[in-house]
Amino acid sequence: GAGVSQTPSNKVTEKGKYVELRCDPISGHTALYWYRQSLGQGPEFLIYFQGTGAADDSGLPNDRFFAVRPEGSVSTLKIQRTERGDSAVYLCASSSITLSGRGSPDTQYFGPGTRLTVL
Amino acid sequence: DQQVKQNSPSLSVQEGRISILNCDYTNSMFDYFLWYKKYPAEGPTFLISISSIKDKNEDGRFTVFLNKSAKHLSLHIVPSQPGDSAVYFCAASADFGNEKLTFGTGTRLTIIP
Repeated sequence: GAGVSQTPSNKVTEKGKYVELRCDPISGHTALYWYRQSLGQGPEFLIYFQGTGAADDSGLPNDRFFAVRPEGSVSTLKIQRTERGDSAVYLCASSSITLSGRGSPDTQYFGPGTRLTVL
Repeated sequence: DQQVKQNSPSLSVQEGRISILNCDYTNSMFDYFLWYKKYPAEGPTFLISISSIKDKNEDGRFTVFLNKSAKHLSLHIVPSQPGDSAVYFCAASADFGNEKLTFGTGTRLTIIP
């Protein structure tokens, strides 16, 4: 079946502009995550959705970043007034269910990412 | 503060030999650990995981070992194959009600034919 897809694959923008990055999770996956990977670093958590609601947005760096998932499927990460430091690969992942207790967490499947470059 | 650390940015191993990748963590709340593999221009791909109630998990050529007292885990690949050349990320999650992952900085593994 189709995996997680992200569009665009590359985005070049100018400092101060607004950008939207889209994630299409695996069909039926209720949990969706956004991560950001800067050069030479591992992915860093940004926000987690369970269904339509943002269950944890503690990783968003500031209020210029916002994400939505209005119908519990596709998600959009929105960045206002972009800065050069926002340049990174933005990764989206989805999983089938999140356990509130401690079992074996369901595997997160990652998309290929969107490479954002802010000039 | 880096809660998950991979202190070796790169590793080269001869084909057929064992590759050992190491990872250390500082957060005692972590209770589930994963290894992801990443090829260029692709997203990370899940490889193997281990719960804190175990000290070893094996899947084919891949084995993960967990030493909780030392807050250390390692990934063993044997025998190493050219297709194993990739960046390997160690990741951890804690029982906070969601499974957000905290990643290390990665180790680039190169298998020499």
